[in-house]
Amino acid sequence: DAGVIQSPRHEVTEMGQEVTLRCKPISGHDYLFWYRQTMMRGLELLIYFNNNVPIDDSGMPEDRFSAKMPNASFSTLKIQPSEPRDSAVYFCASSLRFFNQPQHFGDGTRLSIL
Amino acid sequence: TQLLEQSPQFLSIQEGENLTVYCNSSSVFSSLQWYRQEPGEGPVLLVTVVTGGEVKKLKRLTFQFGDARKDSSLHITAAQPGDTGLYLCAGNIGGSARQLTFGSGTQLTVLP
Repeated sequence: DAGVIQSPRHEVTEMGQEVTLRCKPISGHDYLFWYRQTMMRGLELLIYFNNNVPIDDSGMPEDRFSAKMPNASFSTLKIQPSEPRDSAVYFCASSLRFFNQPQHFGDGTRLSIL
Repeated sequence: TQLLEQSPQFLSIQEGENLTVYCNSSSVFSSLQWYRQEPGEGPVLLVTVVTGGEVKKLKRLTFQFGDARKDSSLHITAAQPGDTGLYLCAGNIGGSARQLTFGSGTQLTVLP
């Protein structure tokens, strides 16, 4: 079975540019999570969705970040305008709706803002 | 402020040695999960513990959830190079919440 698929795997761009990260969750999963991982702050939850509806976006750093889930099989995380401090590995994860289910992670997008 | 503190942050040992990694919090968690992450990949679930005092074994790995459900430990017996990776604990506060709070991680290196 296909796992969570993220694209692109690597992104290098200049500050000020718009960046769009994409995620395809595992089919049938009800929850989708976006995380950011850095050496300094570890793995931080940015936002999560239940049945395509955003439930908690309190981890989104600022208005430059936005996330959408137009349907059950696709989500985007957008940064506009990007800044060097946004450089990190961004992960998408999905899970079933039942309590204590594992979160299945994609392989991440390594983002570098120059 | 990290709700879940892991120690040690880094650990380098020889193959065959035993080790214990700790995950501590001042908060009570309804459940706690342990993940392992390898370079270039996302974290992968190892185990979920739910009941205070619960002990689970996965081959050479033993996981324990504290009686008060505020802390957990991971013990590896006779470590092997294949155990190398970043070990992350993650807590869920329960109720309708599905989000996890991840610990700071323990980077384990097992030398052959």
